[in-house]
Amino acid sequence: SQTIHQWPATLVQPVGSPLSLECTVEGTSNPNLYWYRQAAGRGLQLLFYSVGIGQISSEVPQNLSASRPQDRQFILSSKKLLLSDSGFYLCAWSRPLQNYGYTFGSGTRLTVV
Amino acid sequence: AQKITQTQPGMFVQEKEAVTLDCTYDTSDPSYGLFWYKQPSSGEMIFLIYQGSYDQQNATEGRYSLNFQKARKSANLVISASQLGDSAMYFCAMSYRWRQNFVFGPGTRLSVLP
Repeated sequence: SQTIHQWPATLVQPVGSPLSLECTVEGTSNPNLYWYRQAAGRGLQLLFYSVGIGQISSEVPQNLSASRPQDRQFILSSKKLLLSDSGFYLCAWSRPLQNYGYTFGSGTRLTVV
Repeated sequence: AQKITQTQPGMFVQEKEAVTLDCTYDTSDPSYGLFWYKQPSSGEMIFLIYQGSYDQQNATEGRYSLNFQKARKSANLVISASQLGDSAMYFCAMSYRWRQNFVFGPGTRLSVLP
């Protein structure tokens, strides 16, 4: 069966510090991978998606970046965090060429102070 | 552009009663999928139910059913026999074929009262 792991679960970082959130998928190959952000009490905003190694599409220009160094690994990064980067970050995967839904990771709650 | 509308920011329902959460969508793509997700206070997103645009029958999964009215572009979620554990945020979402992407609605917060 497929599983998705996301860590850390919670993170408190000072403004201007770097960020690295990691997401890995097991039990499948060549998944589509996604990073979403959810501000408090709001819906989900797609940040990045990837259909293959090294292929990253950005939906929202900002100080965040994403990388996919391996088939089942997706990393969300920032060189310098802003207060507005606080939120709940969710990684998700889906099967390529099929619109049958996402499976989400457990999320990372990031607080920038 | 694809869009999901959930007009109920918050809903209350008495335990053991049924509740309907509204969702309308907008797309020009003839092939799409409609989904409902539950997000409890822990934050995880839990898949509940799926309806394909070409499916003839309404989807059902246990206590969840999706009232799909294609002409009206609505995909309401019906929860029967509400339980206290159903208290959560509920998101309606739509996938569309030419992009490997979803669009989510703003969500409805459901509170089940004992």
